[in-house]
Amino acid sequence: GENVEQHPSTLSVQEGDSAVIKCTYSDSASNYFPWYKQELGKRPQLIIDIRSNVGEKKDQRIAVTLNKTAKHFSLHITETQPEDSAVYFCAASNAGGGANSKLTFGKGITLSVRP
Amino acid sequence: DGGITQSPKYLFRKEGQNVTLSCEQNLNHDAMYWYRQDPGQGLRLIYYSQIVNDFQKGDIAEGYSVSREKKESFPLTVTSAQKNPTAFYLCASRTFWAGAATEAFFGQGTRLTVV
Repeated sequence: GENVEQHPSTLSVQEGDSAVIKCTYSDSASNYFPWYKQELGKRPQLIIDIRSNVGEKKDQRIAVTLNKTAKHFSLHITETQPEDSAVYFCAASNAGGGANSKLTFGKGITLSVRP
Repeated sequence: DGGITQSPKYLFRKEGQNVTLSCEQNLNHDAMYWYRQDPGQGLRLIYYSQIVNDFQKGDIAEGYSVSREKKESFPLTVTSAQKNPTAFYLCASRTFWAGAATEAFFGQGTRLTVV
């Protein structure tokens, strides 16, 4: 089955700096890679996702890159702000259909943005 | 108001008792998921279901059971066989368009404490 690894477990950056969070996956059949943000006491919410037919996707200060050959994908946050402080989860999934609808998450990284 | 609802938000049970957590969605999503969240462990998949009357074990299914009798409902029973049931439980749902996976939406979670 799929195994998603996320390192490191914590990351601290100065406000205004960039943050990069990396994940690796094991199943070459995975083709959908979402990133979720979970603020303290709240539910995880999608911030950006990427499919295997593209290498990069950007949405304002957030971007995600995917390297299918190496089986890793990364979240890039530029001009970090204190409100970016949260737990970030990466995940991997393939197209639907019975057992193929599995959605596997990494262990999460706690990002702290120092004012 | 469309969404995915978990109830109750907090649940206390005595050791040895079975308990059922509710998850309902009115998003007309095909797939539903149960995750367990423990500090430092990320989101670990318990069970998931792609269609009514069908479900698959996730990575940590032992001591749990589910049913999917209706598309909008996916209750999780934590049985007395689960050795460490105290945790935060999250339910999620998503759909598939033309075979492609889409964003998963999460409920607000149920915090189960077994004493």
